[in-house]
Amino acid sequence: ELKVEQNPLFLSMQEGKNYTIYCNYSTTSDRLYWYRQDPGKSLESLFVLLSNGAVKQEGRLMASLDTKARLSTLHITAAVHDLSATYFCAEQNTGTASKLTFGTGTRLQVTL
Amino acid sequence: DGGITQSPKYLFRKEGQNVTLSCEQNLNHDAMYWYRQDPGQGLRLIYYSQIVNDFQKGDIAEGYSVSREKKESFPLTVTSAQKNPTAFYLCASTTVNTGELFFGEGSRLTVL
Repeated sequence: ELKVEQNPLFLSMQEGKNYTIYCNYSTTSDRLYWYRQDPGKSLESLFVLLSNGAVKQEGRLMASLDTKARLSTLHITAAVHDLSATYFCAEQNTGTASKLTFGTGTRLQVTL
Repeated sequence: DGGITQSPKYLFRKEGQNVTLSCEQNLNHDAMYWYRQDPGQGLRLIYYSQIVNDFQKGDIAEGYSVSREKKESFPLTVTSAQKNPTAFYLCASTTVNTGELFFGEGSRLTVL
C-alpha cells in the first residue's frame, strides 16, 4: 500500500525563522509534488521534483528530493505571515495512471 | 482561459438524495480524477479516467459513481449509499505526457 507521511502535522513559527517540513514515501516513485492549500481553497502547485537530487527554489521555499532515502523536504527560509497555509506532498508513479498519493499535510502558522 | 471548472461550489443535500458534481476542463487533458478531502486531512482518490468511456475505482469508490462520455467532462455522483458524504471534493486533470495534475476550485458538499 502506498503511504506518504509528513511531519510535523502542525507547525507554528515566528516570522524570520527557518524550518523544514519532511515527507517520507513508501515506494519507488517517478515524481514528487508539493502543493499549497489556503483555507477553503483548492490546491496550488508549488514544485515538481523529477529526479534524485533535484532541488527547486521559489522565493522563501526550497524543495529537495532524495529518492534513495525516499525523502523530500520543504525548507522555509525567514518565514513571513503570507506563508501560513497547509502544505501537502504527493508522490506519483506514472506507471499507475499518474495518480497522486497525498500526505496528510502540514499546517503552517507563521506568527508576527 | 484554460482551466478546470467545478460546479456547484457549495451544495446541500438531504440524507437519501443523490447529487451530481460537475467537472469540466478545456485544457485538452486526457486523464481526469476525483479526490475527496475531509477536514484536517489529505486527499483521497475516488475515481479516475484516462480515456473517454473508461474509468477506474480509486481508494474510496464505494457510494460514488462517475461517467466519462466526453473528454472535457467527468461528473461525479454521490449516491445515497455513501455513508459520510460531507466533504470537500476536488476534480483534477492531466496529460499523459506531463503527469502534473491541475485542480479545480472544489465543491463543498454538506449533508443536512
